[in-house]
Amino acid sequence: DVVMTQTPVSLPVSLGGQASISCRSSQSLVHSNGNTYLHWYLQKPGQSPQLLIYRVSNRFSGVPDRFSGSGSGTDFTLKISRVEPEDLGDYYCLQSTHFPDTFGAGTKLELK
Amino acid sequence: QIQLVQSGPELKKPGESVKISCKASGYTFTDYAMHWVKQAPGKGLKWMGWINTYTGKPTYADDFKGRFVFSLEASASTANLQISNLKNEDTATYFCARTRNFDYWGQGVMVTVSS
Repeated sequence: DVVMTQTPVSLPVSLGGQASISCRSSQSLVHSNGNTYLHWYLQKPGQSPQLLIYRVSNRFSGVPDRFSGSGSGTDFTLKISRVEPEDLGDYYCLQSTHFPDTFGAGTKLELK
Repeated sequence: QIQLVQSGPELKKPGESVKISCKASGYTFTDYAMHWVKQAPGKGLKWMGWINTYTGKPTYADDFKGRFVFSLEASASTANLQISNLKNEDTATYFCARTRNFDYWGQGVMVTVSS
């Protein structure tokens, strides 16, 4: 299985500040069709996860442009600028290039 | 608008079975695959597998082969997850999520297995 190593586990931030979360995969996430199926989700307390970024760098409908995704191959990053209170929660990366789909272990974004 | 609405919480005893539903609305059900994800209390997300909503063919992750069954009621735009011979470690919230990007999620169903 592809192992998704997500860091840091916990990320204290100040409101208005910037946050960066890393996700590294144990093998390349480039699919044979040329797409890279690496996605990012936010799970707020007591809620289901919500899609933020799909296929590395595409913001999902309604997601503020404060969220951006980048990376390639095995190394990916989610950046959040001007952190707002509604951004707090658990962030997960997911790869769906290789069977089985695998999630990172999560990063808790919390107030400093 | 697109919605996935799941059934309510379940309290079961070890050895019993449970069936969870995920009703889709706002789009053509058979156009998008449905995935299932497990989240144990206080833990991260684990992919269970998916079902092709056009053909009905399920695919299971290795840890979910045997006691877990994905099924459809396509006429009702509903995907189901059945777990048989429940064990304490099946205590978790189970989510359905649409298609390969997991773009829309159900609200989750808490299944508690306790004697």
